[in-house]
Amino acid sequence: LAKTTQPISMDSYEGQEVNITCSHNNIATNDYITWYQQFPSQGPRFIIQGYKTKVTNEVASLFIPADRKSSTLSLPRVSLSDTAVYYCLVGDGYSGGGADGLTFGKGTHLIIQP
Amino acid sequence: KAGVTQTPRYLIKTRGQQVTLSCSPISGHRSVSWYQQTPGQGLQFLFEYFSETQRNKGNFPGRFSGRQFSNSRSEMNVSTLELGDSALYLCASSLARGTGLTEAFFGQGTRLTVV
Repeated sequence: LAKTTQPISMDSYEGQEVNITCSHNNIATNDYITWYQQFPSQGPRFIIQGYKTKVTNEVASLFIPADRKSSTLSLPRVSLSDTAVYYCLVGDGYSGGGADGLTFGKGTHLIIQP
Repeated sequence: KAGVTQTPRYLIKTRGQQVTLSCSPISGHRSVSWYQQTPGQGLQFLFEYFSETQRNKGNFPGRFSGRQFSNSRSEMNVSTLELGDSALYLCASSLARGTGLTEAFFGQGTRLTVV
């Protein structure tokens, strides 16, 4: 599975747009890019998934350049409740993610301040 | 629809004991995966079950085992508990395997403390 690199932590303020970038230089042709959000003592929650270009849903946008070696999760107008750990995953979309399952890195701890 | 249900939510066990955790996936989901989360190691994949068969297994000792029943409910067992087994154990269910866009739904987890 492709290794991912994301910032350990980020700070922002309520009402701002937050962009979290993930690097995945060894992404394979069949790999999708998926982002999960996790609050303390809860299971991760699926945010968005994409393969290329741009994907948007009701909570976020995902930007993927043509070479697919990185991706950016964009959270519009964040609030205090968006404080959480955000994980970028790269894999072939299998629920088990292949032999290694879904591979979660360290994630990005996003802290939103008033 | 009901989400993924894990029971119990909290558990305290003594070293050497064994423990069984339960996971009820979302209705219609046939794939169940288990993960261990600790502050030091993060989220680590334990194993995945689909149609009552273990499909994948992570790098954990044989003390960790699981099974899946015909109704897709899954149990995870840890024998001879060690202090290092203290963790949040998470279960995730998915509709199927091998589809390009497969979203995993996680339960709230079972917090296991070994003393």
